[in-house]
Amino acid sequence: AQSVTQPDIHITVSEGASLELRCNYSYGATPYLFWYVQSPGQGLQLLLKYFSGDTLVQGIKGFEAEFKRSQSSFNLRKPSVHWSDAAEYFCAVVPRGNNDMRFGAGTRLTVKP
Amino acid sequence: DADVTQTPRNRITKTGKRIMLECSQTKGHDRMYWYRQDPGLGLQLIYYSFDVKDINKGEISDGYSVSRQAQAKFSLSLESAIPNQTALYFCATRDGATDTQYFGPGTRLTVL
Repeated sequence: AQSVTQPDIHITVSEGASLELRCNYSYGATPYLFWYVQSPGQGLQLLLKYFSGDTLVQGIKGFEAEFKRSQSSFNLRKPSVHWSDAAEYFCAVVPRGNNDMRFGAGTRLTVKP
Repeated sequence: DADVTQTPRNRITKTGKRIMLECSQTKGHDRMYWYRQDPGLGLQLIYYSFDVKDINKGEISDGYSVSRQAQAKFSLSLESAIPNQTALYFCATRDGATDTQYFGPGTRLTVL
């Protein structure tokens, strides 16, 4: 079945530590891939997106993501987390030739001082 | 000013009441969407519209209806609200050239 999976419901990291949030998808053809962030009480803000080309994508706020076709993954990374990064992060896909954006269940990030 | 706005931001209502949530956008996008967010489920698509004459059901349209009054306005209605419709509702637009979606701030709806 077609799906977007974020295996980690909740992750806690220390401020200054590195971060990796996982996203896997299951679609016949590689979909368009997105990461969004939702701060408490806010809507979703686009961090970055991948359509084609270079598999390492740079986004806003110091985030990057790497597309790995062999693993059907699009993991989000940040070298050094700041307390303001505490939020919920959603991976999303738009299947090629489709009009729907489908979301993973989200990963909640807590940042320890 | 925000590109995608939603009113109201918070609403508490009672079972059986009719509720309308409104969305307006200034981005000039033809495509608009309504989602609901429940803890642990991510966002689920309720309805989407490609223009004022094109309305489509999403994953969870039962119990909801929509109206696209103009390119800039897309309203979501709950004809007879029930408690399991308590959720956070988001409106979004999509840039057809980049397939990127832009979200409103959300409406928190509580049905008692």
